[in-house]
Amino acid sequence: GQSLEQPSEVTAVEGAIVQINCTYQTSGFYGLSWYQQHDGGAPTFLSYNALDGLEETGRFSSFLSRSDSYGYLLLQELQMKDSASYFCAVPTSGTYKYIFGTGTRLKVLA
Amino acid sequence: DAGVIQSPRHEVTEMGQEVTLRCKPISGHDYLFWYRQTMMRGLELLIYFNNNVPIDDSGMPEDRFSAKMPNASFSTLKIQPSEPRDSAVYFCASTQIAGGGTDTQYFGPGTRLTVL
Repeated sequence: GQSLEQPSEVTAVEGAIVQINCTYQTSGFYGLSWYQQHDGGAPTFLSYNALDGLEETGRFSSFLSRSDSYGYLLLQELQMKDSASYFCAVPTSGTYKYIFGTGTRLKVLA
Repeated sequence: DAGVIQSPRHEVTEMGQEVTLRCKPISGHDYLFWYRQTMMRGLELLIYFNNNVPIDDSGMPEDRFSAKMPNASFSTLKIQPSEPRDSAVYFCASTQIAGGGTDTQYFGPGTRLTVL
C-alpha cells in the first residue's frame, strides 16, 4: 500500500525554527508537495520537491531525500500566522491521484 | 482570476435527500479534483478529471456518489441519497499540467456538508 506519515502536532514559539517531517511509502515516486491549511480554510500550496535537496522559498524551505523516502518542511522565524496544519502529498505512480498525509498541526506560541 | 469557485459554501440537509455540490475551476486548468476531508479520514481524493473526462474514480465511496464535468468550466458532485456519514468538507481543486505547468493544485474554499 501507499502511505505518508507525519507527526500529529508540533509546538514552537514565535521566532523559532520548526521542522515537520514526512516519510512516505509509494510504488513509484514523482515528487513531494507540501500544503498549508488554516482552520476553516482550504489547503494552499507551499512547495514541491522532485529532486533530492533543499528548496527555499522565503521563510519556508522543503527538503527531500528519495533514497530515504523522507522529506521535511522547515519553517523559520515563526510567526503566529503560521499556526495551521501542514500536509505532505505525493501522486501515485504514473497518475495524478494524490495521497495526502494525515497532517501536522503546528501551534505557534507567543 | 477569481480562483476555484465552489457552491454552496454550507449545506445542511436531511438523510435521504439529494445533494449537489458545484465547482468552477480556474480558467485554462486541464485537471479537476474532488476531495473530501474529515477528522477521521483526513483529505481523500474522490475522483479527478482530465479535459472533462473522468480518469480515476476509485476514491468514490459508493454508488450514491457521482460526479460529472460537462464542460471545462463546471463540475458537479452529487450524493443521492445522502447519509449522516457523508458529513464532511468537500473541496474542489484544479491544476494545469499541459504546456509545462506544474502540478500545484489550487483548492476552492470548500463546501461544508452536514447531513442530519
